[in-house]
Amino acid sequence: EDQVTQSPEALRLQEGESSSLNCSYTVSGLRGLFWYRQDPGKGPEFLFTLYSAGEEKEKERLKATLTKKESFLHITAPKPEDSATYLCAGGDSNYQLIWGAGTKLIIKP
Amino acid sequence: NAGVTQTPKFQVLKTGQSMTLQCAQDMNHEYMSWYRQDPGMGLRLIHYSVGAGITDQGEVPNGYNVSRSTTEDFPLRLLSAAPSQTSVYFCASSSMNTEAFFGQGTRLTVV
Repeated sequence: EDQVTQSPEALRLQEGESSSLNCSYTVSGLRGLFWYRQDPGKGPEFLFTLYSAGEEKEKERLKATLTKKESFLHITAPKPEDSATYLCAGGDSNYQLIWGAGTKLIIKP
Repeated sequence: NAGVTQTPKFQVLKTGQSMTLQCAQDMNHEYMSWYRQDPGMGLRLIHYSVGAGITDQGEVPNGYNVSRSTTEDFPLRLLSAAPSQTSVYFCASSSMNTEAFFGQGTRLTVV
């Protein structure tokens, strides 16, 4: 059965303290690993798509990487405005998205 | 550029009532979907459509109906609301195998 698991459930960091979020996946015929950001009361907002192991993408303080079993979202020197819930999803062979439960990131000033 | 528009933002229903959640997109996307989001769980797919006139069930379709008469619109109907349908509902659209764009969500409470 296709599955996506994110860890940790919640992460509290001090401003400037770098860390990583994990997304482990078992998705047959993976057609892309997607990262989204979700702010309270809002819909998910697209960040990155990774298609093959070894691929990396960056946007400001965020960098996403992909292996054959996991994806990581690295956050470098985060700011309070980076506080949000980060979601990952695997695209399966039918182009459906299999979603993880998310990691709630809190950055304290 | 409106993107994906959902209405209403908030709704309270009594058990047994019916209602329609509206979703419209202006990006000419062929793929549209409805999800529900519950605390501690990932987004769960209710129904989806790969084009006008074509719909299919997702992971949790019971108690919901959809139709897709135009490319732009994809309404979700609750036939007889139950407390278990209390949730936040999101509509999304995309081109095939590209990133999905989400609406702002509808927070539904069934009492």
